[in-house]
Amino acid sequence: SYELTQPPSVSVSPGQTARITCSGDALPKKYAYWHQQKSGQAPVMVIYEDSKRPSGIPERFSGSSSGTMATLSISGAQVEDEADYYCYSTDSSGIPLFGGGTKLTVL
Amino acid sequence: QIQLQQSGPGLVKPSQTLSLTCAISGDSVSSNSAAWNWIRQSPSRGLEWLGRTYYRSQWYNDYAVSVKSRITINPDTSNNQFSLQLNSVTPEDTAVYYCARGYGDVWGQGTTVTVSS
Repeated sequence: SYELTQPPSVSVSPGQTARITCSGDALPKKYAYWHQQKSGQAPVMVIYEDSKRPSGIPERFSGSSSGTMATLSISGAQVEDEADYYCYSTDSSGIPLFGGGTKLTVL
Repeated sequence: QIQLQQSGPGLVKPSQTLSLTCAISGDSVSSNSAAWNWIRQSPSRGLEWLGRTYYRSQWYNDYAVSVKSRITINPDTSNNQFSLQLNSVTPEDTAVYYCARGYGDVWGQGTTVTVSS
């Protein structure tokens, strides 16, 4: 079955750029969406359609996609950006699925 | 602005049916451009998409293979909401259940459902 693969964890110091990857064979033809989830809260979309930023999301969040990999970048990561991040896309049939999630630590 | 408000019981007995409702404000369940999804989250399974309903001149449903034999998602146009029914539940179905629009631009508040006798 189709999978989206993310690293379990990423760690950066405050002010550095955090990059979280998501790999999947269908990504060349399917959009990636990124969600941030802080402890005890519902997820919040931070990137849609590979690289677009919803209203209210800080400019330090950006997304890109090339080949079978989508990347979420957080430029000048802040302590408040510590959270779990999930990529979300579809398989070749259009059925949605999530990646396994990446825990971002900023310290 | 659009809001999704979930309701339903937090405790379900094994073998019974889990039923949740998601009430929509600020959009329409009959929208020709939106899809209405149910998603769950557990420590063992992470975020898991369960299924969706959407209207494109007629109603469509898609379901995850993992629950396809047990799940029903129905739109309720009279009350502008949609529902989740998951039959024959087991403790493995214990999770936080969310409703969401589209690819997650709007989420419900989440409902913790425990399957236990």
